[in-house]
Amino acid sequence: NAGVMQNPRHLVRRRGQEARLRCSPMKGHSHVYWYRQLPEEGLKFMVYLQKENIIDESGMPKERFSAEFPKEGPSILRIQQVVRGDSAAYFCASSPLGQANEKLFFGSGTQLSVL
Amino acid sequence: DQQVKQNSPSLSVQEGRISILNCDYTNSMFDYFLWYKKYPAEGPTFLISISSIKDKNEDGRFTVFLNKSAKHLSLHIVPSQPGDSAVYFCAASGYGGSQGNLIFGKGTKLSVKP
Repeated sequence: NAGVMQNPRHLVRRRGQEARLRCSPMKGHSHVYWYRQLPEEGLKFMVYLQKENIIDESGMPKERFSAEFPKEGPSILRIQQVVRGDSAAYFCASSPLGQANEKLFFGSGTQLSVL
Repeated sequence: DQQVKQNSPSLSVQEGRISILNCDYTNSMFDYFLWYKKYPAEGPTFLISISSIKDKNEDGRFTVFLNKSAKHLSLHIVPSQPGDSAVYFCAASGYGGSQGNLIFGKGTKLSVKP
């Protein structure tokens, strides 16, 4: 399966710990997007990255959240000092060209639970 | 402030009949609209899209209609099949956000009964 791969599928953290979510885009895709879905809500855009560059982080909370997409390896969404309100499904998507109105391909998501 | 609204959280339809899912938006800057389908424990899958210069786009059993004056779009599925049971999300772009910065509605859960 050459789709968008996210791991882990489920992540449990205690308050104050760090959460690291990984995303490998589809083969040939160099544009990665992170979305968050809170319970009973739609997906909310967080950040758009290309290799080694953050293009749009307008949806990222100002503190504790960071994202990277290094030259080699997967994209990482990092949440420091997690709180209960961070519990959500985090979805990664990728696209090949980053063109306007290009279709996004989503991964299966990481369900983060903060105890 | 919800810019994309799906006012029906759920919809139940008999197999073979038409399913109509509705979506309203408030931002007149949106120029591209998409529908995604999501099964439990999976990510959203692109279904169909429409540009604001069109009022209809059809792909097999799926048709999306856009009424710009009413800021309303709808997804028609005909005939509906049990495998269509999923959550359907309406999304919009083109308001000045970057590529991939989509505004999603909260979704409508469609149940197609055999």
